[in-house]
Amino acid sequence: GAGVSQSPSNKVTEKGKDVELRCDPISGHTALYWYRQSLGQGLEFLIYFQGNSAPDKSGLPSDRFSAERTGGSVSTLTIQRTQQEDSAVYLCASTVSLGARAETQYFGPGTRLLVL
Amino acid sequence: GESVGLHLPTLSVQEGDNSIINCAYSNSASDYFIWYKQESGKGPQFIIDIRSNMDKRQGQRVTVLLNKTVKHLSLQIAATQPGDSAVYFCAERVPGRRALTFGSGTRLQVQP
Repeated sequence: GAGVSQSPSNKVTEKGKDVELRCDPISGHTALYWYRQSLGQGLEFLIYFQGNSAPDKSGLPSDRFSAERTGGSVSTLTIQRTQQEDSAVYLCASTVSLGARAETQYFGPGTRLLVL
Repeated sequence: GESVGLHLPTLSVQEGDNSIINCAYSNSASDYFIWYKQESGKGPQFIIDIRSNMDKRQGQRVTVLLNKTVKHLSLQIAATQPGDSAVYFCAERVPGRRALTFGSGTRLQVQP
């Protein structure tokens, strides 16, 4: 079946502009995660959605970052007033969440954001 | 495509050799560990996982070893192939927290 998809695949924007990044998780996956990967770095957790529960926003680096998940499926990550340090690959992952059981996160291809 | 991890530690092996990639994890309470493979321009791809109540798990050509005493995780790849060239990340999960904590990655280069 289809995996996690993300759009756009690449985004170049000017400093100060807002950007929206989209994630379509695997159908039936109830949990969705956003991560950020800067060049030469591992993945940094941003935010987590699980069903209708309040999202875990503990990884968002500033109030310029926000995310929502509509209808328990598609998610949008918004970065307002982008800064050059926001340049990174933004990765989305989804899982089938079964209570407290550990589960595998399946990643999308990422959106490569470049802020000029 | 974009190069991931220009300054990562690099392991270079000959095609057909066995590879061992090591990872030191940070939290002794972590109960679940995963190895991911990331090729240039792509998202991380699941390879193998292991729970903290195990010390070894085998997959196809891959084996993960867990040493909780020293908080060490390793990924062994048998008969390494050029297609195995990628950046490999270990990740850990702490009980009560859904998000994974990722290591900084190791680049594997397979010489033909």
